Amino acid sequence: AQKITQTQPGMFVQEKEAVTLDCTYDTSDPSYGLFWYKQPSSGEMIFLIYQGSYDQQNATEGRYSLNFQKARKSANLVISASQLGDSAMYFCAMREGQVDNSKLTFGKGITLSVRP
Amino acid sequence: DSGVTQTPKHLITATGQRVTLRCSPRSGDLSVYWYQQSLDQGLQFLIHYYNGEERAKGNILERFSAQQFPDLHSELNLSSLELGDSALYFCASSVGQIATNEKLFFGSGTQLSVL
Repeated sequence: AQKITQTQPGMFVQEKEAVTLDCTYDTSDPSYGLFWYKQPSSGEMIFLIYQGSYDQQNATEGRYSLNFQKARKSANLVISASQLGDSAMYFCAMREGQVDNSKLTFGKGITLSVRP
Repeated sequence: DSGVTQTPKHLITATGQRVTLRCSPRSGDLSVYWYQQSLDQGLQFLIHYYNGEERAKGNILERFSAQQFPDLHSELNLSSLELGDSALYFCASSVGQIATNEKLFFGSGTQLSVL
């Protein structure tokens, strides 16, 4: 089974509206971390937000928040007040605490386009 | 700017050749990771070094090798190149090595084109 699943096709959102990008994960490790990265057309990978498996509250970083539903194994990224500069690929990733803890495992990514 | 420096940004070479990609981690980071990004495989973990020692290997081909030097910079060597090796190669760094909240900071990548 894939460890990180991002199945949404290309997403479109109107400028200034909110958008949710879906991510589900699969692990039996009780200790893990979930990450979101943004990759604009220029190619670099930019860290956005982190959620730990033991965190009681959903993570927030400015306009980014993470809707963490542990029982459903989902970690959806919410971007509020979308801006044109948010147009990019978005990757969900997981790091497991006990198995293969050296690496981040990435999903396939979601393309987000913000319309003016 | 993530603080991770990768050179060169672009590399065009022919099949059968050998190339070296270079990475300088953020100041203070001891871990260096290499990832390969291609359209069909997505982002694939290749290898992780911590303070000069290899820590983990992922989907790295035998034709590929890496090392981390005493000054903590890292090089990824790709030999006997094939068309399928064309990809964007990322280096990332982090402070430590195994904490689940260890954030990786990525360089801007080296775009390798094998013709």
